[in-house]
Amino acid sequence: QKEVEQNSGPLSVPEGAIASLNCTYSDRGSQSFFWYRQYSGKSPELIMSIYSNGDKEDGRFTAQLNKASQYVSLLIRDSQPSDSATYLCAVYAGNNRKLIWGLGTSLAVNP
Amino acid sequence: KAGVTQTPRYLIKTRGQQVTLSCSPISGHRSVSWYQQTPGQGLQFLFEYFSETQRNKGNFPGRFSGRQFSNSRSEMNVSTLELGDSALYLCASSSALGLAGYNEQFFGPGTRLTVL
Repeated sequence: QKEVEQNSGPLSVPEGAIASLNCTYSDRGSQSFFWYRQYSGKSPELIMSIYSNGDKEDGRFTAQLNKASQYVSLLIRDSQPSDSATYLCAVYAGNNRKLIWGLGTSLAVNP
Repeated sequence: KAGVTQTPRYLIKTRGQQVTLSCSPISGHRSVSWYQQTPGQGLQFLFEYFSETQRNKGNFPGRFSGRQFSNSRSEMNVSTLELGDSALYLCASSSALGLAGYNEQFFGPGTRLTVL
């Protein structure tokens, strides 16, 4: 089992819809969770970080964390074509002090 | 605040050569991590430096090495280049002092290395 798993996609949603991206992780001791957006040919850009169970909202983005079920999700409301990118989930497990990365989910928002 | 800078942005080398990449972190950040990214492989962790010490290392051969200077700037070196080393090399900086476990990492634009 991979340490951080994401559906590779592509996830295709129409403009204005809600895009839902999911990530599961294996280490129950994981403490910090991050979502990055990466446009083709560019470097990853941090869009959300979440540390405790529940929801965290920032503009059109909401991160949801459920440590009991070991998943973290990212919701993008009112999706725009400019949101089309690969979304990377990263999880920090304190025992080995490494940030573990998923392979990313490709999102396509269709006008 | 200025972001993370990496030089050079693009590099073309031939097999057997060596290369040195440079990264300047965000001012005040003491942690620098290096990643290799290739299509289909995702972000592969190379190593992390914190206050001039290698704090963590990924599963790469000894041809890949790095160091960090007292001003937190970091370099990574790849010796005896192979075709498979062609990739985007990313540097990320972090203050790594957060109480919530680990501070966010902020990436530079990357160095695109092509090995012919």
